[in-house]
Amino acid sequence: GESVGLHLPTLSVQEGDNSIINCAYSNSASDYFIWYKQESGKGPQFIIDIRSNMDKRQGQRVTVLLNKTVKHLSLQIAATQPGDSAVYFCAENKNDYKLSFGAGTTVTVRA
Amino acid sequence: NAGVTQTPKFQVLKTGQSMTLQCAQDMNHEYMSWYRQDPGMGLRLIHYSVGAGITDQGEVPNGYNVSRSTTEDFPLRLLSAAPSQTSVYFCASSSSRQGIANEQFFGPGTRLTVL
Repeated sequence: GESVGLHLPTLSVQEGDNSIINCAYSNSASDYFIWYKQESGKGPQFIIDIRSNMDKRQGQRVTVLLNKTVKHLSLQIAATQPGDSAVYFCAENKNDYKLSFGAGTTVTVRA
Repeated sequence: NAGVTQTPKFQVLKTGQSMTLQCAQDMNHEYMSWYRQDPGMGLRLIHYSVGAGITDQGEVPNGYNVSRSTTEDFPLRLLSAAPSQTSVYFCASSSSRQGIANEQFFGPGTRLTVL
């Protein structure tokens, strides 16, 4: 069936470097995409979202890119900090109240 | 403003027992939902509600019941607990009225173990 997935389950990045987390989706009907951050023992926290009529959106130190041609979503974190260590999830919505999550990428920041 | 609160934080049940996971939000959000998270997996939607008196099934509804008598509360009931329901349960809410158009706020989770 259709699903949202992440390319890599883990990512190790040097503090201060930029991080890129990737996500592939297969449902071309999805029109809303979200990135969440989940720290150990906590609930997911909203980072940034993007609608299908956009291809880029920027927030504070984060940028989300959407490539609808290849059904690819990415989250870029600038100047990665130790506090960025967490599991990152992408999720999609088809404007039907149901949010579908990918399996997550664990980001570890090396000092 | 407490956001989304969940109780209990931890719970151990024996197979066949029933219990209710509580969820409350003080943001006057219309949309509320329940997810379960299993190791190495993303969150899966169990049930959701778009307003008081309105509920619907998500991806994995079997073995769970919900009701929404008020805007603030959205309890999740396990009718007869099974080991396969061992998981971490998250409640979330959103102000969206048409689909999930706005960010969802998640509670801290309830870690449930069924023996």
